[in-house]
Amino acid sequence: AQSVTQPDIHITVSEGASLELRCNYSYGATPYLFWYVQSPGQGLQLLLKYFSGDTLVQGIKGFEAEFKRSQSSFNLRKPSVHWSDAAEYFCAVGAIKAAGNKLTFGGGTRVLVKP
Amino acid sequence: DAMVIQNPRYQVTQFGKPVTLSCSQTLNHNVMYWYQQKSSQAPKLLFHYYDKDFNNEADTPDNFQSRRPNTSFCFLDIRSPGLGDAAMYLCATSRASFKLIVNPWDEAFFGQGTRLTVV
Repeated sequence: AQSVTQPDIHITVSEGASLELRCNYSYGATPYLFWYVQSPGQGLQLLLKYFSGDTLVQGIKGFEAEFKRSQSSFNLRKPSVHWSDAAEYFCAVGAIKAAGNKLTFGGGTRVLVKP
Repeated sequence: DAMVIQNPRYQVTQFGKPVTLSCSQTLNHNVMYWYQQKSSQAPKLLFHYYDKDFNNEADTPDNFQSRRPNTSFCFLDIRSPGLGDAAMYLCATSRASFKLIVNPWDEAFFGQGTRLTVV
């Protein structure tokens, strides 16, 4: 069964500083990997996804993520955070099943942005 | 512009009183999912519909049921809500088919969720 680990529960970063969120996955086949962001009381918004090809993927809001198969990681980065980036971030792995695809989420990382 | 719409955004129900949450979509996606997200936790898949086929997760309590009368609508029924069922319920859709070799996975679009309170 697939699983996702986000080692950092909380991260505090100063506005303008860089941000990196860690994600490790476990999946027996080619993983489909996603990062979602959730603002308080809201649903999930897709930031970026990786299916195949270039291991560095660009997403919305200036985010990027790098897939490293050897490390089973898919870390999310942003060079310079804005106060509006304060939210919870979820990494997810997708598994293709005969009955439909399934997303498994990590526990999430809450990002706080200091002025 | 909303593509996945959940109603209501906030629902208060009494302990043990059946409650239904609704989800509609304008994307014509063939897969619809229901996730439960408790405070400060990751979303947990309860079940999903692949077209008309219902797929329950093994650890989803019998208290949770779902209906999908047509492509656009999907309902989550909680037959006897307990205090432990208070959570955010997220509906999501995707256009997924394992028959597509090139790109068997399309991203899931989420609604804004319904926050359920049980009193």
